[in-house]
Amino acid sequence: GEDVEQSLFLSVREGDSSVINCTYTDSSSTYLYWYKQEPGAGLQLLTYIFSNMDMKQDQRLTVLLNKKDKHLSLRIADTQTGDSAIYFCAEEGTNAGKSTFGDGTTLTVKP
Amino acid sequence: DAGVTQSPTHLIKTRGQQVTLRCSPKSGHDTVSWYQQALGQGPQFIFQYYEEEERQRGNFPDRFSGHQFPNYSSELNVNALLLGDSALYLCASSRGVNYGYTFGSGTRLTVV
Repeated sequence: GEDVEQSLFLSVREGDSSVINCTYTDSSSTYLYWYKQEPGAGLQLLTYIFSNMDMKQDQRLTVLLNKKDKHLSLRIADTQTGDSAIYFCAEEGTNAGKSTFGDGTTLTVKP
Repeated sequence: DAGVTQSPTHLIKTRGQQVTLRCSPKSGHDTVSWYQQALGQGPQFIFQYYEEEERQRGNFPDRFSGHQFPNYSSELNVNALLLGDSALYLCASSRGVNYGYTFGSGTRLTVV
């Protein structure tokens, strides 16, 4: 079945760029999402990319998609302490409406 | 504009009991999905409701059932609770089935 993998932890200095990586197995993935989860909260949709795109930029966020390698990344420019959270990658394929999530990457931003 | 509202926020149940969790979707949304998030893991898809019918189901046993009402709100029922059902249950709503979802803050279920 579908599988999504992410590295578990990332630590950066405030002001640096953060890059969170994700790989997925479903070659029929149509949408790929990045969500943010802060302690005790639900998931906040940050951005998504359609599978026929290779890049999407939204203010400080840049999403890169390498469909051949099934690799997705999220770059956060000028990372702030408020960006500290768990970031989830998710994909949605032929089963529209059913998202498969990775286990999340915990981003720690040090002042 | 209220987002997705879930109730209760926390719940403690005893093994073998039954539980009902509730979700009100964001205004304008007609599709509700339920996810289970165990500690330290990503959310796992339970099922999705649209037009009061279950559209899709993940790999969860029949002890997990749901319902969607005409006003698009939804309930998740879990029978014969097991210790392993302890998790954060997230409701997500959308208009249609793509383009990402708006998640509620979840219901933390603890089974003892």
